[in-house]
Amino acid sequence: KAGVTQTPRYLIKTRGQQVTLSCSPISGHRSVSWYQQTPGQGLQFLFEYFSETQRNKGNFPGRFSGRQFSNSRSEMNVSTLELGDSALYLCASSPKTGGFSGNTIYFGEGSWLTVV
Amino acid sequence: GENVEQHPSTLSVQEGDSAVIKCTYSDSASNYFPWYKQELGKRPQLIIDIRSNVGEKKDQRIAVTLNKTAKHFSLHITETQPEDSAVYFCAASYDKVIFGPGTSLSVIP
Repeated sequence: KAGVTQTPRYLIKTRGQQVTLSCSPISGHRSVSWYQQTPGQGLQFLFEYFSETQRNKGNFPGRFSGRQFSNSRSEMNVSTLELGDSALYLCASSPKTGGFSGNTIYFGEGSWLTVV
Repeated sequence: GENVEQHPSTLSVQEGDSAVIKCTYSDSASNYFPWYKQELGKRPQLIIDIRSNVGEKKDQRIAVTLNKTAKHFSLHITETQPEDSAVYFCAASYDKVIFGPGTSLSVIP
């Protein structure tokens, strides 16, 4: 079974631009979560989607948004990029929604975003 | 909001020694506690987890303990090996998975 796939793996953007990252979950998984990873800040929860609906949202500004399609694939978008948005963006999928006991989440390799 | 604290932030041990990483969580509703290992340049991968109705779980050289009353849980690695060197993240989960800030473990040969 293929793992969580994220594209693109690496990208460089300029301040003020916007970016869209894509995530294909493990086949059969309906939940997709997004995390931002920066040195010293660990894994910061962005949001979770299940059955095309946003179930949970972290403490990020409205410039960060996402969506999920009927085939469970998900995209996240960051508008008006700032230097501080440079990070590894990790997508994770799980069979069920959120944090149900024993609902293991599986991470993709991530998308490295550099904002210059 | 929900918060998970993790200590220490860095840990260096001699090969063969034990390593202990401790976490505390704030949301008393949390009922699932996974631990992830992230090697340099790779994705975080689940190494062990524990549910709230269990106090301890062991898998070969790795064990986790949970104290729900104190809202503490810990990861214990015995007989450490150089390949155990990585960043370890604890997490607490109820309706979303919240991660601790991570512990960078170095095992010195």
